[in-house]
Amino acid sequence: SQKIEQNSEALNIQEGKTATLTCNYTNYSPAYLQWYRQDPGRGPVFLLLIRENEKEKRKERLKVTFDTTLKQSLFHVTASQPADSATYLCALDSGGYNKLIFGAGTRLAVHP
Amino acid sequence: NAGVTQTPKFQVLKTGQSMTLQCAQDMNHEYMSWYRQDPGMGLRLIHYSVGAGITDQGEVPNGYNVSRSTTEDFPLRLLSAAPSQTSVYFCASIYSGTTNTEAFFGQGTRLTVV
Repeated sequence: SQKIEQNSEALNIQEGKTATLTCNYTNYSPAYLQWYRQDPGRGPVFLLLIRENEKEKRKERLKVTFDTTLKQSLFHVTASQPADSATYLCALDSGGYNKLIFGAGTRLAVHP
Repeated sequence: NAGVTQTPKFQVLKTGQSMTLQCAQDMNHEYMSWYRQDPGMGLRLIHYSVGAGITDQGEVPNGYNVSRSTTEDFPLRLLSAAPSQTSVYFCASIYSGTTNTEAFFGQGTRLTVV
């Protein structure tokens, strides 16, 4: 069956450290993978997109990698700040036509 | 620029009642989707549309209908509400360009079925 898996346990880290979140998928061949941020009571907000032919993408303190052989994406938040605390969702195009399927998300808590 | 507007923000229904969740976007996007979000389950795709007049089922379509008569509007209809449909519903409008694809979400509708 097709699945997208993110670590359901919250990730607690100290301010200034690098947070690494994982997204694994099975039985999909996505043309791209996306990461979103969601704050409590709000809709998700787009952060980054990485295509199947890209290994790494960066945006300010965010870095995403995409390994189509491992069927895995890693999302890094460097020099983390308490304001980075949120739930982070990965999503992929499940079969063309931008039919986006989401993982359950991982909650990141950055402590001062 | 309003983006994606969902109404209502909150709704309580009795089992068996029907209702329509409204979604409108002003960005002229072709692609729109409806999701439900339950604790621990993430966003699950209910229905989506690739343009006016074209809709298709997502992961959890049962109990829901959609239509797309215009590019701007994508309403979600609950035919006969059940307690299992208690959830937060998000509408998304998706920009798809040559260099980026990005979903814009509404603020959500919190639905309780009693």
